[in-house]
Amino acid sequence: DAGITQSPRYKITETGRQVTLMCHQTWSHSYMFWYRQDLGHGLRLIYYSAAADITDKGEVPDGYVVSRSKTENFPLTLESATRSQTSVYFCASSESTRGDEQFFGPGTRLTVL
Amino acid sequence: LAKTTQPISMDSYEGQEVNITCSHNNIATNDYITWYQQFPSQGPRFIIQGYKTKVTNEVASLFIPADRKSSTLSLPRVSLSDTAVYYCLVGPRGKSSGDKLTFGTGTRLAVRP
Repeated sequence: DAGITQSPRYKITETGRQVTLMCHQTWSHSYMFWYRQDLGHGLRLIYYSAAADITDKGEVPDGYVVSRSKTENFPLTLESATRSQTSVYFCASSESTRGDEQFFGPGTRLTVL
Repeated sequence: LAKTTQPISMDSYEGQEVNITCSHNNIATNDYITWYQQFPSQGPRFIIQGYKTKVTNEVASLFIPADRKSSTLSLPRVSLSDTAVYYCLVGPRGKSSGDKLTFGTGTRLAVRP
């Protein structure tokens, strides 16, 4: 089905472990984004990508790594998870020709113990 | 970066018109104003976008005064299903706009019977 999907939907891990959150979109949108959402902070941009092999930092990039080898995939990796990275993570995509409307995935709830 | 200020929460009753105002005093010439809606446990969803004056679609209206330092999202005749968090975003469209999009904490709208 067309759309944007995230996996896993729920993840529990321990401090210090590496975790990768997956994001896949079927629209061939140029832009993809990763946000985290915490109580009291709203949505904050972690990283974004304007095209395959082009990524840039957002507001809160520390502790995260991204890559984009294919247009449709934009994985987010926590190289050494910390408790402060417990959050809900949303992936989004957009195509600038549509006025930058962003389409969001269902989110991944990550808990770091 | 254009910072936005919205009320933290609002209450309304079914059938009423709801107006949510967003303040963005340092909006730049090439910035657009975009509103998103987020239901619990879901990613945000685009509602409406505008640059100046008034924009209307099947869901809402967006009023932007001449100085563009604020904007008002108007939801006509709300129902219980309009209970959600509403985000006002200000930023440029097109390339390299990702790092300038700030969601903030939004306005939590509660619609009562």
